[in-house]
Amino acid sequence: DIQMTQSPSSLSASVGDRVIITCRASQDISNFLNWYQQKPGKAPTLLIYAASSLQSGVPSRFAGSGFETHFTLTISSVQPADFATYYCQQSYSTPRTFGQGTTLEIK
Amino acid sequence: QVQLRESGPGLVKPAQTLSLTCTVSGGSIANPAYYWTWIRQFPGKGLEWLGHIYYAGSTYYNPSLKNRISISIDTSENHFSLKLTSVTAADTAIYFCARDYYYDNNQLDSWGQGTLVIVSS
Repeated sequence: DIQMTQSPSSLSASVGDRVIITCRASQDISNFLNWYQQKPGKAPTLLIYAASSLQSGVPSRFAGSGFETHFTLTISSVQPADFATYYCQQSYSTPRTFGQGTTLEIK
Repeated sequence: QVQLRESGPGLVKPAQTLSLTCTVSGGSIANPAYYWTWIRQFPGKGLEWLGHIYYAGSTYYNPSLKNRISISIDTSENHFSLKLTSVTAADTAIYFCARDYYYDNNQLDSWGQGTLVIVSS
């Protein structure tokens, strides 16, 4: 299985901060990397697919980048609605695997 | 806009079979662009991909489940189902169904709201 490792596991930020979350794959996954946001008591929702494509309806302050084994999710100016947990997921091969999650908290 | 909804018992006894159904509305489950997927989330928040099925019936299961899993599809009823046999407390989780966009990057672009299944006697 491909292992996905996110860092940090949690971070604190203030509204308006720029935040970067990193995801590393244990092997080359090309651009088959997706990012999801999950709020408490809700299902995850798709933010970014194919490493850098913004899902319809997602604010442009979210951006993804990376290729092969190193990927990042950037929130350019954190808003109150963005405090949540973020997961990366590889869709290069089965079984699909997720990172352990990064919780974004209010400072 | 497609919607997915999980249904099934919220409490299952150890050694029994967990059975859940995901009903799809607002779109056809026979659309060849998609796989239909089951995922679970443990109480510690980790996400585990369980497996998926194509409208034509082909499946792929996570080997970690050691042949306990089966996924089936009913295109006439527009739903797909999960069975997990010989459950233990370690199978306690929130179970989600989701749509995998096969024609693109295999991203999970729609999810059900999830259903909590507790394994306990």
